[in-house]
Amino acid sequence: QQQVKQSPQSLIVQKGGISIINCAYENTAFDYFPWYQQFPGKGPALLIAIRPDVSEKKEGRFTISFNKSAKQFSLHIMDSQPGDSATYFCAASGYGGATNKLIFGTGTLLAVQP
Amino acid sequence: GAGVSQSPSNKVTEKGKDVELRCDPISGHTALYWYRQSLGQGLEFLIYFQGNSAPDKSGLPSDRFSAERTGGSVSTLTIQRTQQEDSAVYLCASSLQGNYGYTFGSGTRLTVV
Repeated sequence: QQQVKQSPQSLIVQKGGISIINCAYENTAFDYFPWYQQFPGKGPALLIAIRPDVSEKKEGRFTISFNKSAKQFSLHIMDSQPGDSATYFCAASGYGGATNKLIFGTGTLLAVQP
Repeated sequence: GAGVSQSPSNKVTEKGKDVELRCDPISGHTALYWYRQSLGQGLEFLIYFQGNSAPDKSGLPSDRFSAERTGGSVSTLTIQRTQQEDSAVYLCASSLQGNYGYTFGSGTRLTVV
């Protein structure tokens, strides 16, 4: 029940295309859903995050779509650029108890081809 | 400091030796987390410190792993009698109390030979 399942494992997108990464969770106590971006040799960096009271959040070219009833959320990268090539992790956490730390998905390696 | 600092950045050790990994969190961040990232894997939670509360050690994989946080600031992760399966990148993160926004360090890449 603590797992966050992420797909696909890897993704190749042409420059200018849309990258879509999906995640699913089981624990309804989760109330915070961030996405992290990681470049080689660096730690993950917070990209964008959403709480379950909204269905969508957009920041620049990055959008999170959230479906509370399906317990799924996704990251959309519009107009994908080669500089977006990185590993992306979804995560989830709650407040207190066993949910008070981020549980991460297994990551998606995104390659944007020029 | 401006970010989370981890040292060393790389560590090669012989099987059976003990190692200590250090994390210096962002000043003022009361929460500190250790995660492990194995090749091609996600981030595995190890341990969580929050202020003066007892740490959440639920992610430590065996009793060879321990961590402490002195003075509510610097943390040390110790792995005793290292095994080859301990080879991974060990990541530290910190956050403000009640703030879910983790800031990660660049990690320590541990290689056990």
